[in-house]
Amino acid sequence: DGGITQSPKYLFRKEGQNVTLSCEQNLNHDAMYWYRQDPGQGLRLIYYSQIVNDFQKGDIAEGYSVSREKKESFPLTVTSAQKNPTAFYLCASTETGQYHEQYFGPGTRLTVT
Amino acid sequence: GQQLNQSPQSMFIQEGEDVSMNCTSSSIFNTWLWYKQDPGEGPVLLIALYKAGELTSNGRLTAQFGITRKDSFLNISASIPSDVGIYFCAGQLRGTSYGKLTFGQGTILTVHP
Repeated sequence: DGGITQSPKYLFRKEGQNVTLSCEQNLNHDAMYWYRQDPGQGLRLIYYSQIVNDFQKGDIAEGYSVSREKKESFPLTVTSAQKNPTAFYLCASTETGQYHEQYFGPGTRLTVT
Repeated sequence: GQQLNQSPQSMFIQEGEDVSMNCTSSSIFNTWLWYKQDPGEGPVLLIALYKAGELTSNGRLTAQFGITRKDSFLNISASIPSDVGIYFCAGQLRGTSYGKLTFGQGTILTVHP
């Protein structure tokens, strides 16, 4: 089955620890994206990558880092510098040439205490 | 960043009723998309619109790309209980990077049987 997988579904960490969220897709999509969602708000773009070994900051990149070493993988690291890391994190990807029709994974809910 | 004003914020309707929601902006958008999100899951793409004035249907859903390119509308006819969820509009603002979307705050839809 083709799709986007994010793991784990729920993640708990202590304040001051870095944590890496996984995003994998087997759709052969070129572009991948990371969003953050807070209650009652829309999605806000953290980072995006349109090609392997290249990525750009979104609107709220501070305190986050990414890598894109493989086409199918786009992991997101939430660093200790992120002031309010508790949120629902969504990964998305798009088909080549259809960069607006983003398809989302199931999300990871990160709780930092 | 640029905001999309999505309204209403929430709706409580009876099964069988029609639903209308919209997104507006003071800026011009090149693309409009409508997504639905179930609780704890990633958004699912419902309809994508690419031309001003475009009217597109997907089953009981109909969406329109406003003539001014500053707004979009989503209508759901004859609502059913499984229509419950959060509906988001999203768009690519003219002049922004290809694939970089701006999301509305969402409309929470509740359908009473």
